Amino acid sequence: AQSVTQLDSQVPVFEEAPVELRCNYSSSVSVYLFWYVQYPNQGLQLLLKYLSGSTLVESINGFEAEFNKSQTSFHLRKPSVHISDTAEYFCAVILSGGSYIPTFGRGTSLIVHP
Amino acid sequence: DTGVSQDPRHKITKRGQNVTFRCDPISEHNRLYWYRQTLGQGPEFLTYFQNEAQLEKSRLLSDRFSAERPKGSFSTLEIQRTEQGDSAMYLCASSSPGLAGGGYEQYFGPGTRLTVT
Repeated sequence: AQSVTQLDSQVPVFEEAPVELRCNYSSSVSVYLFWYVQYPNQGLQLLLKYLSGSTLVESINGFEAEFNKSQTSFHLRKPSVHISDTAEYFCAVILSGGSYIPTFGRGTSLIVHP
Repeated sequence: DTGVSQDPRHKITKRGQNVTFRCDPISEHNRLYWYRQTLGQGPEFLTYFQNEAQLEKSRLLSDRFSAERPKGSFSTLEIQRTEQGDSAMYLCASSSPGLAGGGYEQYFGPGTRLTVT
């Protein structure tokens, strides 16, 4: 069975600083990888995904993530954060060719200070 | 398309009562999922439907929980004889794997927050 580890439960950062949220997964087969964002009292929203092809994927609001197969990682980065990026971020993995049920990490709370 | 909707958004109930939640998925999605989320945790899978068929249930789904998707459209999740440990956010999501070569990402509703007193 696959598992997802988000080592940092909370990441405080100042506005306009760069940030990296870490995600590692374990799986013996090929995977699809996702980052979701959750704002207070809302459901999760897809931020970006890796299915195949280029290992660097980008979102429309400046986030990017890189799939590293050898390190089984899919870290999320942003070069300059805004106050509005304050939210909970979840990494998720789906086994390709399986039942397509995602396994989520426990989440990382990104707190952007002015 | 208005996205995934859930009703109610909040529910407060007394221990031992039954509660029912509703989820309306994105209309063209054939899969519907239920998750439970507690504070400081990611969503935990409960069950999912492909069209009207319930294909998998998690061990978290005790006998007090039942879910239906009678016509392959909306779904209901019922919890009987609620316990304080059932207090959580219940999330619904929909997807359509294989749609246009992708479709694996999930679209979530806003959730129903259940408080059992």
